[in-house]
Amino acid sequence: AQKITQTQPGMFVQEKEAVTLDCTYDTSDQSYGLFWYKQPSSGEMIFLIYQGSYDEQNATEGRYSLNFQKARKSANLVISASQLGDSAMYFCARDQTGANNLFFGTGTRLTVIP
Amino acid sequence: EAGVTQSPTHLIKTRGQQVTLRCSPISGHTSVYWYQQALGLGLQFLLWYDEGEERNRGNFPPRFSGRQFPNYSSELNVNALELEDSALYLCASSLEYPRVNSPLHFGNGTRLTVT
Repeated sequence: AQKITQTQPGMFVQEKEAVTLDCTYDTSDQSYGLFWYKQPSSGEMIFLIYQGSYDEQNATEGRYSLNFQKARKSANLVISASQLGDSAMYFCARDQTGANNLFFGTGTRLTVIP
Repeated sequence: EAGVTQSPTHLIKTRGQQVTLRCSPISGHTSVYWYQQALGLGLQFLLWYDEGEERNRGNFPPRFSGRQFPNYSSELNVNALELEDSALYLCASSLEYPRVNSPLHFGNGTRLTVT
């Protein structure tokens, strides 16, 4: 199975606080990649952060970091110091085995409260 | 560097018609992907093209088809439109297979409404 699960349909966070968006995945592969994308209301998909399964360190990109727990098959996105512009849908994705395309989770809608 | 461009941005069709959506990848990218995003739902993988060939296909009926041209641009064709085909259609591009470590880069999408 190549399932991506995002169990939080919606999340709220106070401006300037940190928030964690959950993502778990199924795989029997040893080598794979995990991605997070942001989709504002305008619809475009913005790449945020990548984690390789063999990376020893958790990925970080500015205010975004990835809490990667390989044994648990989870790759949670942490957004620090939330801003109003962070309000959007967030999608977790992973590589499909033997192919270039990605599988996406159902997404989490994040709302940042002033 | 220009990003992935899609046309048209919006489209309204009636049930039973046919539609063609277009996508130009980022310069240097040879792989093109199509995804469908129905309202309020996640992205469903449709098709992957690389070097002019269809490399992978999602769980969609044959009336969804496409092609990739020698300049790596791509078209998605949907025949016999149904109401449930109403969705945002997103195109993405990337470097060639295997796409190790690099993400897909998405266009802004074509919003198709079927009435």
